Amino acid sequence: SAVISQKPSRDICQRGTSLTIQCQVDSQVTMMFWYRQQPGQSLTLIATANQGSEATYESGFVIDKFPISRPNLTFSTLTVSNMSPEDSSIYLCSVPRTDQNNYGYTFGSGTRLTVV
Amino acid sequence: QKEVEQNSGPLSVPEGAIASLNCTYSDRVSQSFFWYRQYSGKSPELIMSIYSNGDKEDGRFTAQLNKASQYVSLLIRDSQPSDSATYLCAVYTGGFKTIFGAGTRLFVKA
Repeated sequence: SAVISQKPSRDICQRGTSLTIQCQVDSQVTMMFWYRQQPGQSLTLIATANQGSEATYESGFVIDKFPISRPNLTFSTLTVSNMSPEDSSIYLCSVPRTDQNNYGYTFGSGTRLTVV
Repeated sequence: QKEVEQNSGPLSVPEGAIASLNCTYSDRVSQSFFWYRQYSGKSPELIMSIYSNGDKEDGRFTAQLNKASQYVSLLIRDSQPSDSATYLCAVYTGGFKTIFGAGTRLFVKA
């Protein structure tokens, strides 16, 4: 399965500022997914990022708040804009696995964001 | 609203025992089911996937699926302290969408 390098691993940010999270995959993948995991809660899909097209956002998430770039098949960024303490969470990128016996996702190591 | 429900736990079992983790889902047309393990401060990693009714075994892990009852379970035999983690049930609902449960915390006592 693919290996994903995600950074930063953690950050503490002032409210009103923006943070860009990067994910680099060691192989070409068509789709990348961005998730948020709030403490004690399940993973929530923010958006699906396809190379060469606009990202598809889930209900409750908008492009102005979470702009995504997907410049090529191995890289994507998620920006958390105009942050508030409610944005404090773990953000994860993921890609589909290619193992025919075990599909599902491979996740990046996550970015733990604290907004103060 | 498609949902995946898990008991949050913690589920505490002694070392060497069988741990049984359960999950129910609401979308009857779901076809693919997954169990992920997430250690504290780490990202989820896939343990098992199951697509057909019945059991699927991989080492100490057995996934069980009953589509009629909309029920998925994960059995961990000979539980070890290193199995202590949060286990996430996930259901692929189509359209490149996967819904995750909130997870069950498992604690294996040495």
